[in-house]
Amino acid sequence: NAGVTQTPKFQVLKTGQSMTLQCAQDMNHNSMYWYRQDPGMGLRLIYYSASEGTTDKGEVPNGYNVSRLNKREFSLRLESAAPSQTSVYFCASSARTGGITGELFFGEGSRLTVL
Amino acid sequence: AQKITQTQPGMFVQEKEAVTLDCTYDTSDPSYGLFWYKQPSSGEMIFLIYQGSYDQQNATEGRYSLNFQKARKSANLVISASQLGDSAMYFCAMRNILTGGGNKLTFGTGTQLKVEL
Repeated sequence: NAGVTQTPKFQVLKTGQSMTLQCAQDMNHNSMYWYRQDPGMGLRLIYYSASEGTTDKGEVPNGYNVSRLNKREFSLRLESAAPSQTSVYFCASSARTGGITGELFFGEGSRLTVL
Repeated sequence: AQKITQTQPGMFVQEKEAVTLDCTYDTSDPSYGLFWYKQPSSGEMIFLIYQGSYDQQNATEGRYSLNFQKARKSANLVISASQLGDSAMYFCAMRNILTGGGNKLTFGTGTQLKVEL
């Protein structure tokens, strides 16, 4: 039972390089999210996709783009990486609400370092 | 706008004792949900407990209970009979149900709990 799978787990980039973080879920969830975690800041929402075909900005979207490729997959792209984007990135998914808690299920995280 | 505040960056508790982790929230949405997650040193995020704003009783899940005081806008996590494995970072989070946008959560900054022998 894989749940939410994100790749890569670790990545080192140089300033200005681009990369894509991949995320896939096998729980048939409608909604998917990208968060970043920085020390002392908690988790902050970058982008989310409430349902297939839609994406919306979260709290800290600058410098990122996303693609909801299909119901299963939601990718995060850094077009020109900056040291301020050094962080741990989490992908998450959730079922549609309607009498359930709607908790988020998280991937294991991707540690990105930008030099 | 919504905000979650966790004022305890770090807490210590002795094994087998109970501990309360504080969480206060602010929202204008009358319908919301409150969550607690645990993040051990291995890094994964583990869902612990949920409380809906209209739930009449405080949520409980095994050794975890949520002390929900709506008028005070607080949602403290109580861990009873602490174990060494409870040492972790704990995050409080909130979802606005009416204005939600999927089930997106707003997180607090976390409390690092250390359980000592």
